Amino acid sequence: DAKTTQPNSMESNEEEPVHLPCNHSTISGTDYIHWYRQLPSQGPEYVIHGLTSNVNNRMASLAIAEDRKSSTLILHRATLRDAAVYYCILKSYNTDKLIFGTGTRLQVFP
Amino acid sequence: NAGVTQTPKFQVLKTGQSMTLQCAQDMNHEYMSWYRQDPGMGLRLIHYSVGAGITDQGEVPNGYNVSRSTTEDFPLRLLSAAPSQTSVYFCASGAYRAGNLVYNSPLHFGNGTRLTVT
Repeated sequence: DAKTTQPNSMESNEEEPVHLPCNHSTISGTDYIHWYRQLPSQGPEYVIHGLTSNVNNRMASLAIAEDRKSSTLILHRATLRDAAVYYCILKSYNTDKLIFGTGTRLQVFP
Repeated sequence: NAGVTQTPKFQVLKTGQSMTLQCAQDMNHEYMSWYRQDPGMGLRLIHYSVGAGITDQGEVPNGYNVSRSTTEDFPLRLLSAAPSQTSVYFCASGAYRAGNLVYNSPLHFGNGTRLTVT
């Protein structure tokens, strides 16, 4: 199974943009890149996903490298409520297992 | 719209006791799964199901049993609890079609069951 690598932790100040990186050098052509986040004491929640093109939604933007070996989740203006663990996951065509790594813990300071 | 409901929210067991963690979803999702999350760690997949009567093992299945008799429910059974099973357990559901998780459909998670085994 293709794996992802994320930094253990990152920090940001409130109202600043945050770029959360994810490396997935063994990604296959049919793997989708999904991002989830987990707020304290809650279950994970879906943020965004993409295949090749950059994607935007009301929560965040996803920038995917041209070779697809890395991606970046962009929070345009961090708020205190964005403090969470962010998981980058590959959804593979040929498996029903969605495997989470350890994610990136984002701290946001006022 | 309740989404994914897990019960109980908290549970304390003694070593060797058995119990069932309940998970129900009202979104008509065929795919359901169980994860455990140990302190400071990511989620690890225990078991999953792609429809009624179909279950399969995830990364850490030992010590856990599952069954799927209806689309809505996916209970997780601990037959003989051990301290190593102290964890937070999350249930998730998702759309499933033609032999695969739907690419553009997210997983929906419950709020977890915090289990302590003494």
